[in-house]
Amino acid sequence: ELKVEQNPLFLSMQEGKNYTIYCNYSTTSDRLYWYRQDPGKSLESLFVLLSNGAVKQEGRLMASLDTKARLSTLHITAAVHDLSATYFCAVEPMDDYKLSFGAGTTVTVRA
Amino acid sequence: EADIYQTPRYLVIGTGKKITLECSQTMGHDKMYWYQQDPGMELHLIHYSYGVNSTEKGDLSSESTVSRIRTEHFPLTLESARPSHTSQYLCAVDRGYNSPLHFGNGTRLTVT
Repeated sequence: ELKVEQNPLFLSMQEGKNYTIYCNYSTTSDRLYWYRQDPGKSLESLFVLLSNGAVKQEGRLMASLDTKARLSTLHITAAVHDLSATYFCAVEPMDDYKLSFGAGTTVTVRA
Repeated sequence: EADIYQTPRYLVIGTGKKITLECSQTMGHDKMYWYQQDPGMELHLIHYSYGVNSTEKGDLSSESTVSRIRTEHFPLTLESARPSHTSQYLCAVDRGYNSPLHFGNGTRLTVT
């Protein structure tokens, strides 16, 4: 069974500082997705990472994938209040279409 | 763009009632999924379908059932709702190779 572990589960950020969220997974995969969820809302796709070494950036967020280490990181640069949300990573196994989600990282950005 | 619609958005219902949560999509994609999510928690796959007349149970055991008679619709039914069914139910569609799952707005169900 594919296991996806995110850490930390809760992250209190100070505005202007940099932080990283980690996503480890237990089986071979070269497809990993990052989503954002605001309270009471659905999931919004942030990044699609489809190969080893893939790096995607959008604004203050940058995601990368190391398939050999089975690790993805979501890096936040100079945090701002608008980034407060829960971030999920999701992994698609090589032999299946079904995504397995991490537990989510709840981010709170304080002044 | 694969638009995906879920209704109702919110539902409060008494124990023992039968309910159906609707999920529909406009672009004819084959793969659709139902996830259950408690507030602030992870998503659990409860049902999926890879096409008409194809449905499977997901990783989390659920008392709900689904049907896929038409490509556009993937409704979820609870024959007898219980308070333990209180949760958010998210429907998603796979738009194809290299695309992320696209989620509907969800149905927030409360069973009293």
